[in-house]
Amino acid sequence: GAVVSQHPSRVICKSGTSVKIECRSLDFQATTMFWYRQFPKQSLMLMATSNEGSKATYEQGVEKDKFLINHASLTLSTLTVTSAHPEDSSFYICSARDPRTSWETQYFGPGTRLLVL
Amino acid sequence: DAKTTQPPSMDCAEGRAANLPCNHSTISGNEYVYWYRQIHSQGPQYIIHGLKNNETNEMASLIITEDRKSSTLILPHATLRDTAVYYCIPIYSGNTGKLIFGQGTTLQVKP
Repeated sequence: GAVVSQHPSRVICKSGTSVKIECRSLDFQATTMFWYRQFPKQSLMLMATSNEGSKATYEQGVEKDKFLINHASLTLSTLTVTSAHPEDSSFYICSARDPRTSWETQYFGPGTRLLVL
Repeated sequence: DAKTTQPPSMDCAEGRAANLPCNHSTISGNEYVYWYRQIHSQGPQYIIHGLKNNETNEMASLIITEDRKSSTLILPHATLRDTAVYYCIPIYSGNTGKLIFGQGTTLQVKP
């Protein structure tokens, strides 16, 4: 199956700093990628849809100025958590749609665990 | 999108079949039933999907009732590595791609 990677796998940062997380589709081109957040013992929550070459679409309640998304190429989307605070500590997961398979099947990255001190 | 109901947790003995139910009584005619699972601290993994016929692949079988109001995911010979949270998600064909995850079923496979 298609492979999606994320980097870094875990990051610890100080409050007020910004953190960038990369999501890459390794063996396919993804025009659309998705970013999710997952707090402990909770389900995944969709944050935004990342479209190559255009602005991301954010879900209700997600601050677009705080969670900057850039999808500059067909294999890379980045999520930048700006001015991170302890409440932003979470598990961030990206996914991508492989156009070679059914439209609804998504492939997920391994996730990035963010801890803000 | 249709609402789903899944039992919060289930146990299964290693080597036995695991049958995970999902109720999606409000599913519409053009919504597929997709199943994903998430092993602890990993990203979710696609398992299988179907519309109205039963489906089987190398990972699992999917049984959809004739009225499409419920489905069952079957792992024929569960192993310890199948311990995970299993999500049943109805999705419109050709939708925007957004997956809305419910609480899922935590399957614990025991030796």
